[in-house]
This record gives sequence, C-alpha cells and structure tokens, in this order.
Amino acid sequence: DQQVKQNSPSLSVQEGRISILNCDYTNSMFDYFLWYKKYPAEGPTFLISISSIKDKNEDGRFTVFLNKSAKHLSLHIVPSQPGDSAVYFCATKDGQNFVFGPGTRLSVLP
Amino acid sequence: DAGVIQSPRHEVTEMGQEVTLRCKPISGHNSLFWYRQTMMRGLELLIYFNNNVPIDDSGMPEDRFSAKMPNASFSTLKIQPSEPRDSAVYFCASSYLRLGELFFGEGSRLTVL
Repeated sequence: DQQVKQNSPSLSVQEGRISILNCDYTNSMFDYFLWYKKYPAEGPTFLISISSIKDKNEDGRFTVFLNKSAKHLSLHIVPSQPGDSAVYFCATKDGQNFVFGPGTRLSVLP
Repeated sequence: DAGVIQSPRHEVTEMGQEVTLRCKPISGHNSLFWYRQTMMRGLELLIYFNNNVPIDDSGMPEDRFSAKMPNASFSTLKIQPSEPRDSAVYFCASSYLRLGELFFGEGSRLTVL
C-alpha cells in the first residue's frame, strides 16, 4: 500500500492562475516533506520542503502547506507559468529513506 | 560541482541479456539510492546505501537484480537476465543525510525487447 498518495494524475491550469497540487500520507510519524519537479528526459529536481514543526513554507511563487491532523500537504504555485509544466512528486523522509508519491502532471496553458 | 552522473543514458537490449547501469554520486555525499520510474508505479525505491553499505534492498524486485557500491564514488545496478518488464527509467540519487535533500541523476532509460 502506498505511503504517499497523489490522487490526481494530471492537472491543467491557465497561465497566471493558481496551481494546487495535493498529497496525502499515511504515517503520522513522518516529519519532513519535499516536493520535486521533473521535466521529460531529466531527473527530478528539488523544489521546496517543509518540516512538521511548520505549517507553511514559502519560496517565491511556491508555497507548501502542511496539515498534520489531516496528514495532507499541498503545493501552491502562484502565478503559474508555462515553464512550470512538469511532473510534480511529493516525497517524505522515512528514516534514511525517501518515499515518493506517484506524481501529478501539471500542464500550464498559455 | 558535477551532479550525479549516470551511464548509459539509453540502453536497448534483448531479453536474456545482462544489463549494467552505472552511477557516480556527488562527491561528499554518503547515501546513494537507486529508483525505478514506471507509468504504473511512479518512483519506486530499489535499494539504498549508506557509507557504501546496503541498508535496504527490499525494493529489489527479484534475484535478477543486484547492486554494488565498491567505493564512495561508484555504484552499479545489474540485471541478469533482463526481461521486457524491466523496461523503465532507472534513477540514481545521492544525499548527505543532514541536508535532507536528494539529488538525482538524469536517469538511464532501459528498453528490453
């Protein structure tokens, strides 16, 4: 059973609007979460992270929100740009290991 | 600084052949991970090493898969014999644990005919 879930395989958003990517996890002991972005034919690259002692972390256009009681996090991209079109993976640290969700493909339409 | 380096970038082989994928982690990193990406399962962990020692290989699908890390700057993932269902993109990644971030290579796309 997947420990990290991204229930939307794909998302399309108009340029300039907000993109919201969601992620759910099963283990309440997880305490560090990351988002990775992946372009075709490239490896995933780190985007933003959040520790469980926070409920929000912001970096430019990217904000990650963590709701520990719901075991849910989300990535907000505002405003969305065509260059943001990629697959986004949610991940968590489980001890020394990193566990990834299946990914959400974001398409930002010009 | 060079990132994680993987070779080959693309490999096409026939069923039953041996495949060896190679990885050079970022210098100074003490953990190395092998992931496989498929459409159905996304990014799944195969094995990871800490200070060159295999820590968790529970994700290795079968005995046909083996991984080694003879030193801090090199790792291999071997599939023998290969099967069509092994076709996927294989990623190597490294990290320095305290930083809590994983750095990926560009991947090796394997096609087994």
